[in-house]
Amino acid sequence: QVTLKESGPVLVKPTETLTLTCTVSGFSLSNARMGVSWIRQPPGKALEWLAHIFSNDEKSYSTSLKSRLTISKDTSKSQVVLTMTNMDPVDTATYYCARRGLIAAAGTSYYGMDVWGQGTTVTVSS
Amino acid sequence: DIQMTQSPSSLSASVGDRVTITCRASQNINNYLNWYQKKPGKAPNLLIFAASSFQSGVPSRFSGSGSGTDFTLTISSLQPEDFATYYCQQSYSTPWTFGQGTKVEIK
Repeated sequence: QVTLKESGPVLVKPTETLTLTCTVSGFSLSNARMGVSWIRQPPGKALEWLAHIFSNDEKSYSTSLKSRLTISKDTSKSQVVLTMTNMDPVDTATYYCARRGLIAAAGTSYYGMDVWGQGTTVTVSS
Repeated sequence: DIQMTQSPSSLSASVGDRVTITCRASQNINNYLNWYQKKPGKAPNLLIFAASSFQSGVPSRFSGSGSGTDFTLTISSLQPEDFATYYCQQSYSTPWTFGQGTKVEIK
């Protein structure tokens, strides 16, 4: 069974750095057909994709948040870590990690975020 | 970045209604388009990938269509458990982007 679980602080102060950990099970972070993304949803707002790490350790970031984000992984621990610097109240949100897996490969590879963690709510407040 | 625009932002419908949600990409994304269902307090759930292919376990009343820049998610006969917010997402190129969501509410 594939699972992902987010962990991290519930409350951070403005200007602090947020560190979130996604612990996965049921698949390997070295599997070439898998990767892990972080996505967030502020209260009452839309889903926002933040960052992704591929099996080969290549990384991709949201254009608007790129300067504040760092994603990394520890394959031996089955963990993906996201750090976000200079937190602000507008960063209050539920943060999800999700597996981006290969779903179909009949001549064309299609990927989707097919398994998600339960989400962790982060509030930014002094 | 590729912008994804959904319409409508919300709609009210009754059980048994046919519901159609539209998603438009700011550039050609072929059929690299996924649809997710999001319920309050729950993680999103992948419904459709490659614009029209069902994810395992998704009821057949859901269907997707489109290619290029214009896409549609259709629920043929709305069920009580379908009241949720639906998001499209392009997987054509990074940074991957979501639409702003369409909330399907009970009429």
